[in-house]
Amino acid sequence: EADIYQTPRYLVIGTGKKITLECSQTMGHDKMYWYQQDPGMELHLIHYSYGVNSTEKGDLSSESTVSRIRTEHFPLTLESARPSHTSQYLCASSETGDGQPQHFGDGTRLSIL
Amino acid sequence: GENVEQHPSTLSVQEGDSAVIKCTYSDSASNYFPWYKQELGKGPQLIIDIRSNVGEKKDQRIAVTLNKTAKHFSLHITETQPEDSAVYFCAASIRGGGADGLTFGKGTHLIIQP
Repeated sequence: EADIYQTPRYLVIGTGKKITLECSQTMGHDKMYWYQQDPGMELHLIHYSYGVNSTEKGDLSSESTVSRIRTEHFPLTLESARPSHTSQYLCASSETGDGQPQHFGDGTRLSIL
Repeated sequence: GENVEQHPSTLSVQEGDSAVIKCTYSDSASNYFPWYKQELGKGPQLIIDIRSNVGEKKDQRIAVTLNKTAKHFSLHITETQPEDSAVYFCAASIRGGGADGLTFGKGTHLIIQP
């Protein structure tokens, strides 16, 4: 049963549009993450957050930005979408501290035409 | 930082046989090792995890073993079934959590042949 929700599940949109991918979790987790993944392939961390008002860049450089105004909400924004942004975006959350598993949403499959 | 290597990248086994996926890690400070299963169109789901003070853990048909000296850990699936077909990811977490929590392997595509 999913306690972390991503919307939309699929998005096909034209080049140059502004896009916001939504992620919400009901577990009260402080840490949240965004990964970029080509289907079935390696997970690349692009953003993470320790808690409200905290945002950090991950290992893979990304033109996207994130915000964390509320604990449960961690949206990702692309100001001007390009075909190179076509990918799957996965959101996850975890408790803070040693040895905490990450709980993933089912992702947003983004296609930029 | 931590580096996690995962092998094989693809594994095909006959239904009913066992499957083994292996991972190695580089940082001896790592102390938590989860395994995730990702089915088509879904996010990765935690299936089993192990901490560095334990050598083996079982949950029905799946088990994980950890060798801290050699810095490797393995996922074992016995009596494989068609629904076991998926991509499996191993991960490692450095004591103290690290800046980004978990370092993932590149994944193994497990195919169960009927």
